[in-house]
Amino acid sequence: GAGVSQSPSNKVTEKGKDVELRCDPISGHTALYWYRQSLGQGLEFLIYFQGNSAPDKSGLPSDRFSAERTGGSVSTLTIQRTQQEDSAVYLCASSTDRPPGEQFFGPGTRLTVL
Amino acid sequence: AQSVTQLGSHVSVSEGALVLLRCNYSSSVPPYLFWYVQYPNQGLQLLLKYTTGATLVKGINGFEAEFKKSETSFHLTKPSAHMSDAAEYFCAVMSPYSGAGSYQLTFGKGTKLSVIP
Repeated sequence: GAGVSQSPSNKVTEKGKDVELRCDPISGHTALYWYRQSLGQGLEFLIYFQGNSAPDKSGLPSDRFSAERTGGSVSTLTIQRTQQEDSAVYLCASSTDRPPGEQFFGPGTRLTVL
Repeated sequence: AQSVTQLGSHVSVSEGALVLLRCNYSSSVPPYLFWYVQYPNQGLQLLLKYTTGATLVKGINGFEAEFKKSETSFHLTKPSAHMSDAAEYFCAVMSPYSGAGSYQLTFGKGTKLSVIP
């Protein structure tokens, strides 16, 4: 079956522009996570969705970051007014809602802010 | 709060030699423990996990790890390295309890494994 997919695979943007990153989880997975992987900080949790709700947004680094999920499926991570420190690989993962369900990761979106 | 420490950001071994990647964790309750592998330009793939029960866990590609509660460790081993094992390896913990229902992973910084022919 299909795994987690993310688009675009690469995104280059100019400082100050807004970007949208998309995640298509595995069908039937109710839990969805966004992580950020950067050279300085390693892998960091950003936000968790259960269905369309986001009960845990504790990892979002600033109010320029937001995310939504629709239909209990596709999720979009939006970064407004991008800064150079936002450059990173953004990874999405999905799992069943029962811990310790394996989190299946997508290939990531590499964001470069010039 | 949980944290994970991976000793050695880069480990090199000869093909056929033992692979040992170290992971220590800090957690107020015994966590679930995971090892993930990341090949270049790819997402993370689960190698193995420990939840409860037997402390020696076997995973894919011949890897295994042992949970040692007294040492708060979960080191990853493989008896004989293959060239295809060259990748970055991440140890991660997950709290078995979550008020918000979020079972996010807390990762170590990763260890890049090089295999020398």
